[in-house]
Amino acid sequence: VQLVESGGGLVQPGGSLRLSCAASGFTFSDFWMGWVRQAPGKGLEWVANIKKDESEKYHLDSVKGRFVISRDNAKNSLFLQMDSLRVEDTAVYYCVRDEGFAVAIYWGQGTVVSVSS
Amino acid sequence: DIEMTQSPATLSVSPGESATLSCRASQSVGTMLAWYQQKLGQAPRLLIYGAATRVTGMPVRFSGSGSEIDFTLTISSLQSEDFAVYYCQQYKDWPTFGQGTKVE
Repeated sequence: VQLVESGGGLVQPGGSLRLSCAASGFTFSDFWMGWVRQAPGKGLEWVANIKKDESEKYHLDSVKGRFVISRDNAKNSLFLQMDSLRVEDTAVYYCVRDEGFAVAIYWGQGTVVSVSS
Repeated sequence: DIEMTQSPATLSVSPGESATLSCRASQSVGTMLAWYQQKLGQAPRLLIYGAATRVTGMPVRFSGSGSEIDFTLTISSLQSEDFAVYYCQQYKDWPTFGQGTKVE
């Protein structure tokens, strides 16, 4: 199992970023997927997860209306569209394989998102 | 959201000793509790789920116990590679993590 994130970077408050996660080594369409973040020197925060067929999506309250999780099963890819970014969204964002109940056995290496003026 | 509180914040132990880490939920989560280990600069690694079930391949020196509100992760005979930060996570409701216990 391999999860490789990309798309992080430095953005000004109010800006947008789209994170991607390329999955391999398993049947992507058989699993829920999610994003977990970790602010610098802080703990972990589950941001969003999405059902196998995209029929259900859930987001952390503080990102609702600003972030949207999506997936492309044909391309074995997971995405996180992040709009109206805030300084407090600064974190390492990890792509995770969600074992169906928000438990993550497999994690990517993370991509860094920095929101600063 | 269910709040998870871990104690102590830091645990100082010597190799070969045992470590007992605690996690308390603000309301009952049954046994929907997981433990992760995170080493500096690395992604977290799942150790235990269902409060007491070890992930395949995890050393038996890691054991979890508890239910409802109070949970414990015990690491018996600490090895050098066990020095890390440990997080508990509930998944009864929207998943939330504790603030971590650093084992040094």
